[in-house]
Amino acid sequence: SQTIHQWPATLVQPVGSPLSLECTVEGTSNPNLYWYRQAAGRGLQLLFYSVGIGQISSEVPQNLSASRPQDRQFILSSKKLLLSDSGFYLCAGSGPLASSYNSPLHFGNGTRLTVT
Amino acid sequence: TQLLEQSPQFLSIQEGENLTVYCNSSSVFSSLQWYRQEPGEGPVLLVTVVTGGEVKKLKRLTFQFGDARKDSSLHITAAQPGDTGLYLCAGTAGGTSYGKLTFGQGTILTVHP
Repeated sequence: SQTIHQWPATLVQPVGSPLSLECTVEGTSNPNLYWYRQAAGRGLQLLFYSVGIGQISSEVPQNLSASRPQDRQFILSSKKLLLSDSGFYLCAGSGPLASSYNSPLHFGNGTRLTVT
Repeated sequence: TQLLEQSPQFLSIQEGENLTVYCNSSSVFSSLQWYRQEPGEGPVLLVTVVTGGEVKKLKRLTFQFGDARKDSSLHITAAQPGDTGLYLCAGTAGGTSYGKLTFGQGTILTVHP
């Protein structure tokens, strides 16, 4: 089965500072990977998804970017954080494209980001 | 854009009571998934339903997918304090959606002993 590792668990950063959140995957080759943001313990908003190395699709315009330098590594970044970037960020993975039609997502435990 | 409306947003009940959470959309989904999330953790999959009219049972939890695949419900019988958490429904449109899920806004369930 697939395991998603995500760190750090909590992060406090000043406005204008850079951001780098890392996510790694165990147990699956060529996974689809996703970054979600969750506000106040409610629904999840999809930010980015990737179906392979170097392939990133953005779902919403924002101050963040994502990269996938390796098959099982997915990174969420920002050059200059805004107050509105505060939130709970979740990395998730699913099976490769051919088998992911209805496959479930496996989530990491999230990063609580507070921008001050 | 596909939307999932989840209701109620909050549910506070006593141990032993029954409850139902609803997930509705005007769009058709190829599948619908239910997740449960505890504070400080990521959501964990409970069930996936893929066939219109499908009913799945997981101990005291019963999940149903609407005949038209536009809605789903989660029914919990004799709720226990351990059922407390955030329940999320999520649908996938299938095809070239690459498994992208549209999530409902969630239902925060609190079961009091």
